[in-house]
Amino acid sequence: AQTVTQSQPEMSVQEAETVTLSCTYDTSESNYYLFWYKQPPSRQMILVIRQEAYKQQNATENRFSVNFQKAAKSFSLKISDSQLGDTAMYFCAFMNRDDKIIFGKGTRLHILP
Amino acid sequence: DADVTQTPRNRITKTGKRIMLECSQTKGHDRMYWYRQDPGLGLRLIYYSFDVKDINKGEISDGYSVSRQAQAKFSLSLESAIPNQTALYFCATSDPQVYNEQFFGPGTRLTVL
Repeated sequence: AQTVTQSQPEMSVQEAETVTLSCTYDTSESNYYLFWYKQPPSRQMILVIRQEAYKQQNATENRFSVNFQKAAKSFSLKISDSQLGDTAMYFCAFMNRDDKIIFGKGTRLHILP
Repeated sequence: DADVTQTPRNRITKTGKRIMLECSQTKGHDRMYWYRQDPGLGLRLIYYSFDVKDINKGEISDGYSVSRQAQAKFSLSLESAIPNQTALYFCATSDPQVYNEQFFGPGTRLTVL
C-alpha cells in the first residue's frame, strides 16, 4: 500500500527566510502525481504545487519549488522569502493511477514576524 | 460563486442522530470524493464516485453511506452519529484530463455530542 510520511509535525521560521518541508512516500508504481496542499486557518485546501513522476524537472510556482528525488521517493517543498501569509498546515499528497489521493499527516508551519 | 460548495458549514448534533452532508459542484467533473480530516491524521478518503452509477468505498467507510444524486451532487450520510465521527469533512472533485488535480469544497465541521 502507498504511504506518505511527513516527518516534521511543526516548524517555525522568521519572515523572509527560506524553509523546506520534507515528504517521503512509498509506492511500487512508476507513474503517479505528487502534490503539496496548503490549509490556512480558513481551512480551505489550496493546491500549492504539483509534480508528475515522469517529469525529471522540478516544479516551480513563484516562491514555491520542489525537490523531487524519484529514486529516493522524496518530495520536499521549499518556500523562499517566506511571508506571514504562508502560515498554514501543509500536506504532501500522492495520487496513483486510480485517481485516489493519499495524504500525509501534515506539517504546521508558522512564519514569525 | 464557489465551484464546490458544502452544506452545512458547521453542524452540532447528538449521538444517534442521522446526519446528511451535502456537496454540489459546478465544475462539470464526473469524479467526486468525500474526505475526513482529524488533527494529526491528515485527510482520509471515505467514499468516492467516478460517475453517477459508480460508488466506491475508501479507507474509512464504516459508519458512513453516500448517494450520488446527479453528476453535480454527492451526499454523505451518517446513519447514527457517534462522537468519534466529530471531524472536518471535505468534498472534492477532479477531472482526470486536467492533471488529476482535486478541487476541494470549504469543508463541514461536524461535532457529535
